Amino acid sequence: DIQMTQSPSSLSASVGDRVTITCRASQSISSYLNWYQQKPGKAPKVLIYDASSLQSGVPSRFSGSGSGTDFTLTISSLQPEDFATYYCQQSYSTPITFGQGTRLEIK
Amino acid sequence: EVQLVESGGGLVQPGGSLRLSCAASGFTFSSYSINWVRQAPGKGLEWVSYISSSSSIIYYADSVKGRFTISRDNAKNSLFLQMNSLRAEDTAVYYCARSRSTHSPVDYWGQGTLVTVSS
Repeated sequence: DIQMTQSPSSLSASVGDRVTITCRASQSISSYLNWYQQKPGKAPKVLIYDASSLQSGVPSRFSGSGSGTDFTLTISSLQPEDFATYYCQQSYSTPITFGQGTRLEIK
Repeated sequence: EVQLVESGGGLVQPGGSLRLSCAASGFTFSSYSINWVRQAPGKGLEWVSYISSSSSIIYYADSVKGRFTISRDNAKNSLFLQMNSLRAEDTAVYYCARSRSTHSPVDYWGQGTLVTVSS
């Protein structure tokens, strides 16, 4: 199974900050990497697919990069609605696996 | 509007069974693969199972293999998860979640249904 490791596990930041979350795969997954945002009590929502493609309707302050084993999600200027938990997910092979999540909190 | 609505969750004793359903609307159900993804209370996301659009390809996580069975009825725009030999560690919110293939992201999720396994 491919293990996905996110860092940090939690992060405190302020509105307007630039934030980067990293995700590392235990083996190469090409660009089959997706990022999701989840707010408490809600289902996850896809932000970025195929490592760097912005899902329709997602604000352009979200961006993704990377390939192979190392990936990043960047939020260029944090907005109040961005405080949530973020998950990476590999769709290279089954079993599909998620990172453990990064909780983004207000400083 | 794409909608996925899960039902069938509840409280069940260890060793018991439960059948989850997911009703789909707002898209051509027979053209999409569907996944079950679960989330234990306060924990992260765990993929459970995948079924292709025609039911020809099915995958399970090792943690549920041999106990859970995924199926679908394209004529009724419905997805199912038969869960047998339930364990305490199966306690979670179960989401049905749409994707194009195993290589695609999940682009729509249901609201989830809570399964609690406890005596």
